[in-house]
Amino acid sequence: EAQVTQNPRYLITVTGKKLTVTCSQNMNHEYMSWYRQDPGLGLRQIYYSMNVEVTDKGDVPEGYKVSRKEKRNFPLILESPSPNQTSLYFCASSSPGTSPLHFGNGTRLTVT
Amino acid sequence: GNSVTQMEGPVTLSEEAFLTINCTYTATGYPSLFWYVQYPGEGLQLLLKATKADDKGSNKGFEATYRKETTSFHLEKGSVQVSDSAVYFCALSDLLTGANNLFFGTGTRLTVIP
Repeated sequence: EAQVTQNPRYLITVTGKKLTVTCSQNMNHEYMSWYRQDPGLGLRQIYYSMNVEVTDKGDVPEGYKVSRKEKRNFPLILESPSPNQTSLYFCASSSPGTSPLHFGNGTRLTVT
Repeated sequence: GNSVTQMEGPVTLSEEAFLTINCTYTATGYPSLFWYVQYPGEGLQLLLKATKADDKGSNKGFEATYRKETTSFHLEKGSVQVSDSAVYFCALSDLLTGANNLFFGTGTRLTVIP
């Protein structure tokens, strides 16, 4: 089954404790992206990647890192999480062009 | 720059009522336009899209027409069902950084009651 898999689904952590949210897709997509969803703000893009070893900042990259060492994986790293990063995070992937984005089921992160 | 303005919700309708969710956009050039739907506990799914002016996207009884003159892409359905209850997002593609990069509106929550 074609899918984007995020882990974990839920995560509660404390300020400053490094964490990684994993994202993997099995559709051989070149493009991958991370969004955060907050009430009243919709989805905002954090980082995206057009292909392996190619990553770029989105609209809200501060406090986040990503890497794209393999085509299928695109982890999101929070080196020192803060409470304002409490949010619902989505990973997405796509073929080039206007192909639809395929989304994971989300990771709800709470930073206390 | 790019932006999407969506009708604020929440919207509550009775089953079989007519649905309109307004969406207007600001963009450089002529982007592709999308509607995505998010069911509870899930990620977003593409509902429909239109890639050029006057195109009409349609799927599952939903329709939206790309109106360049009014920079709009309003979502409509003639008769909603309880199963249509979800959050709907309007989005446009960013022609500068790549068509895959989407700008999303804030989302409109629709609840359909029997």
